[in-house]
Amino acid sequence: DGGITQSPKYLFRKEGQNVTLSCEQNLNHDAMYWYRQDPGQGLRLIYYSQIVNDFQKGDIAEGYSVSREKKESFPLTVTSAQKNPTAFYLCASSIDQGANTEAFFGQGTRLTVV
Amino acid sequence: GQNIDQPTEMTATEGAIVQINCTYQTSGFNGLFWYQQHAGEAPTFLSYNVLDGLEEKGRFSSFLSRSKGYSYLLLKELQMKDSASYLCAVRDKAGTALIFGKGTTLSVSS
Repeated sequence: DGGITQSPKYLFRKEGQNVTLSCEQNLNHDAMYWYRQDPGQGLRLIYYSQIVNDFQKGDIAEGYSVSREKKESFPLTVTSAQKNPTAFYLCASSIDQGANTEAFFGQGTRLTVV
Repeated sequence: GQNIDQPTEMTATEGAIVQINCTYQTSGFNGLFWYQQHAGEAPTFLSYNVLDGLEEKGRFSSFLSRSKGYSYLLLKELQMKDSASYLCAVRDKAGTALIFGKGTTLSVSS
């Protein structure tokens, strides 16, 4: 079955530790995205990538890093520099970033930093 | 700046019709999307508009007026399972990611 897989679904980390969230897709999509969702805030863009080995910062990139070494994978690292990391993180992909291409979302990772 | 506005919450009863509005001010316009998101789950795609007018898909329809920066999602014959958040998103130009509004939480009661 084609789709986007995020793992794990729930993640707990101690403050000050870096943590990497996994996102894999087998849809052969060029574009991939990371969003963060907080209660009452909607989805805010962290990073996106249009093609392998290329990515751009979104609105709230500070304290996060990404890599796009393979077309199917777009991992997100939440670093200790991120002041408020507890949130629901959603990965998405689309065929490309053309006008009429919708984004397909993974099931999300709920990160709790204690 | 980029701004997408939706009402925070709406309530309706089973079998009724509800209209969820979305207004946007973005630097450009390259399409408007509606997603449905149940609590704790991934958003799922509902509809896409790029030209003015109404797009109908079963019980769901979406309307766009580019001159007014306005869209609405119309849900007919409401069912309890329609209780969810509805997200309006805009792509302001080709080659960029979707910009999302804060979402509208719809509660359907019997």
